[in-house]
Amino acid sequence: GPKVLQIPSHQIIDMGQMVTLNCDPVSNHLYFYWYKQILGQQMEFLVNFYNGKVMEKSKLFKDQFSVERPDGSYFTLKIQPTALEDSAVYFCASSFQISNERLFFGHGTKLSVL
Amino acid sequence: AQSVTQPDARVTVSEGASLQLRCKYSYSATPYLFWYVQYPRQGLQLLLKYYSGDPVVQGVNSFEAEFSKSNSSFHLQKASVHWSDSAVYFCALNYNQGKLIFGQGTKLSIKP
Repeated sequence: GPKVLQIPSHQIIDMGQMVTLNCDPVSNHLYFYWYKQILGQQMEFLVNFYNGKVMEKSKLFKDQFSVERPDGSYFTLKIQPTALEDSAVYFCASSFQISNERLFFGHGTKLSVL
Repeated sequence: AQSVTQPDARVTVSEGASLQLRCKYSYSATPYLFWYVQYPRQGLQLLLKYYSGDPVVQGVNSFEAEFSKSNSSFHLQKASVHWSDSAVYFCALNYNQGKLIFGQGTKLSIKP
């Protein structure tokens, strides 16, 4: 079936550095999402994105976070600068419509901030 | 406010036994409910979904779930589990334009 790919699987960085998480969504999908899961906790919505713009973001989407998808390439989540509390698994998802249909998820990128 | 609760963090059953993973939700409007499964080192995969109609929905790999409005529940069931069903299972509520609320997940282990 359709797949969402996330690169890398695991990223280790020092606090204060910048990190970019990459997502290759399903090819004909138009809506993109990031979710965050801290170890042992629920996965939580961060942001959704359509037509080059953020549609909605949660309170977890700090000012240090940004998303973009330049020219239909990767959908990226950038954190600059990183903080210890950013350590989590970040899941990318995509969907064809913005309705309440299913989302297709990637396998996640584990971010470890030291 | 909307919420999803999976009361069992871990469940262990014997291979061939029946399974129920519990999910309770809180939402004032019509819920769009999903069960996802996550195998080790893989992404979330959809097992089944409920939008409306028949409260018993069939999914992949012989899983099914029953929606109950009166109990605010959406429990996942399987008549006979296989060792390959070992994974983490997430119940989720889609409440608005792709925004999902997830339960904390239930880790299923299968005893030989």
